[in-house]
Amino acid sequence: DQQVKQNSPSLSVQEGRISILNCDYTNSMFDYFLWYKKYPAEGPTFLISISSIKDKNEDGRFTVFLNKSAKHLSLHIVPSQPGDSAVYFCAASSNTGNQFYFGTGTSLTVIP
Amino acid sequence: DSGVTQTPKHLITATGQRVTLRCSPRSGDLSVYWYQQSLDQGLQFLIQYYNGEERAKGNILERFSAQQFPDLHSELNLSSLELGDSALYFCASSSFNRDQETQYFGPGTRLLVL
Repeated sequence: DQQVKQNSPSLSVQEGRISILNCDYTNSMFDYFLWYKKYPAEGPTFLISISSIKDKNEDGRFTVFLNKSAKHLSLHIVPSQPGDSAVYFCAASSNTGNQFYFGTGTSLTVIP
Repeated sequence: DSGVTQTPKHLITATGQRVTLRCSPRSGDLSVYWYQQSLDQGLQFLIQYYNGEERAKGNILERFSAQQFPDLHSELNLSSLELGDSALYFCASSSFNRDQETQYFGPGTRLLVL
């Protein structure tokens, strides 16, 4: 049972435009959400996180939005750069459990 | 560089064999998580250790086992290997910042079972 879903396996965006990656979850107990970026042949690297007490967290070009009522979060990258081309995973956890649940990833290609 | 190391980087073996994957967490991190990523799959949580003790178990097969040693490095043992065990195996260690836990991943071990 996939508790965290990324329904878009891939996304292509022109350099300089906005990239929006989406993630949905089913477990209402999740209260902490993270985005990871993964290049080929490397492990995932932490990008940005958000706690359920917030609805937005910003770090440079990266902003994560959380809509708890819709059980949806999104990652915005503005402006997109070719170096952002990677697979992006969203993950969720709850303070009552010890597991992190990951989505299947979205492959972002930023076209120069 | 996340500070988490994994060896070996690549492993090719035959069905029925047994392999051991090794992970060293970041300095100071007590938790180690193991994940499996098969083709077109997300990261599937296998097991977590904290300071030498098993803390949580995910979708880990009975043929798989893990342990964390006093120096905090961890090993994942995979036995009676099947073709379907071919995957990327990641370990991660975690730290807390303002009561929130963030995981840092190693580069992974790519296992190919022939």
